[in-house]
Amino acid sequence: DAKTTQPNSMESNEEEPVHLPCNHSTISGTDYIHWYRQLPSQGPEYVIHGLTSNVNNRMASLAIAEDRKSSTLILHRATLRDAAVYYCILNGANNLFFGTGTRLTVIP
Amino acid sequence: DAGVIQSPRHEVTEMGQEVTLRCKPISGHNSLFWYRQTMMRGLELLIYFNNNVPIDDSGMPEDRFSAKMPNASFSTLKIQPSEPRDSAVYFCASSKAGVSNQPQHFGDGTRLSIL
Repeated sequence: DAKTTQPNSMESNEEEPVHLPCNHSTISGTDYIHWYRQLPSQGPEYVIHGLTSNVNNRMASLAIAEDRKSSTLILHRATLRDAAVYYCILNGANNLFFGTGTRLTVIP
Repeated sequence: DAGVIQSPRHEVTEMGQEVTLRCKPISGHNSLFWYRQTMMRGLELLIYFNNNVPIDDSGMPEDRFSAKMPNASFSTLKIQPSEPRDSAVYFCASSKAGVSNQPQHFGDGTRLSIL
C-alpha cells in the first residue's frame, strides 16, 4: 500500500485558516487522495477527496500538487469543533490505510 | 438518513467468551468494512465485503476472528474465544460500490473490553 507522511501535530488559533500538509511520493496514477478526520470518541468522518484537481466542499478545500506527490487540506476558519486527528489516505483499491494522522489543536 | 449503525456500543466480557459485534450499513451501499483501532496499532482494516462477498480478509488477526454478511443490510464480526489483547474499538464502515473514489461512512464503533 502506498503510504502518506503527515506531521504528528499542529496548532491553530480559532477563526484562523489551517493548512494540513501530506506527502505521498509513491502515489500511483489511479490512487485517489482522501482526507478523513476523527473527533474524540467518534468514528472517522469523511472530509474530502480528489484525484488531480483541487476540490472544494462545505467542510474544506483540497489542494493537490501538480505532480500529485503532496496535498494540503485547508480549513478556511478553524473552530473548536475542528479539533481532531486528520488522516490523509491514498485509496487505490478500496483499502484505506490509516497512518497516525495529524492531531489538530485549536486554540480559543 | 440513518448512518451506519453498530451494536452494542460497549461490551465487557471475560476472556474465553464469544463476542459478536453487529453492523447495519447505509441502505444502498454495496461495500462494508470492519476496522479495529487501538492505541498501539492505530486504525487497521480487518476485512471488507463487496455485494455481501468477502473480498480481502488479510487483516483478520487469526482464526479466532470471523466475519459474515448474510445480506446487504447486516454484518457480524465474531471473536471466539476472546482474549484480553482483543480489547479495542471496532468500527464498521460502508460505501457505494467497490470503487476507490467513494467515501466510506463509519459507525460510532463498539468499545470492546476483554477482562
